[in-house]
Amino acid sequence: DGGITQSPKYLFRKEGQNVTLSCEQNLNHDAMYWYRQDPGQGLRLIYYSQIVNDFQKGDIAEGYSVSREKKESFPLTVTSAQKNPTAFYLCASSPKVQVLIGYTFGSGTRLTVV
Amino acid sequence: SQKIEQNSEALNIQEGKTATLTCNYTNYSPAYLQWYRQDPGRGPVFLLLIRENEKEKRKERLKVTFDTTLKQSLFHITASQPADSATYLCALVEGDYKLSFGAGTTVTVRA
Repeated sequence: DGGITQSPKYLFRKEGQNVTLSCEQNLNHDAMYWYRQDPGQGLRLIYYSQIVNDFQKGDIAEGYSVSREKKESFPLTVTSAQKNPTAFYLCASSPKVQVLIGYTFGSGTRLTVV
Repeated sequence: SQKIEQNSEALNIQEGKTATLTCNYTNYSPAYLQWYRQDPGRGPVFLLLIRENEKEKRKERLKVTFDTTLKQSLFHITASQPADSATYLCALVEGDYKLSFGAGTTVTVRA
């Protein structure tokens, strides 16, 4: 079955550490996205990529980095510069023009700073 | 980016009744508006899209309206069931690809 796989489901980070969240899709979608979800807030866009080897900052990119070396993969690194990283992180993908079918989301990674 | 407001309070309704959720936005009217369902600990799932020139869209027991004058979309779940209990998110399409999401409204349907 086609879909998006995020791993791990739960991740714990110590202060000052960088951690990388994995996102893989087998839907042959061109575009991929990373969102952050906090209680009581809407999903906020961190980074997005429309094609391989190209990506753009979203609304809250500070303290995060991404790469898009393969169409199927869009990993997100949460760096030590992100001061409040505890959140639920969601990866999504879509065809280049997605308006008619929406995004396909993964099941999320819950990151906690310990 | 748009500011998007959804009912901040959770909605508790009796099975069989209609749930009505509100999505208001503040800036320009988008060409498209989408609704998603999110279950606890899961990613959102796309439900419906409505275009700016469509007043109403239906899918099974779901109905969405879009009023660009009021800058508002309403989402109705008719003949609600306990399985409809979830958080529902509205999202505005900006450009060809970017979505801006509301915080969502949590619906609980009592048997």
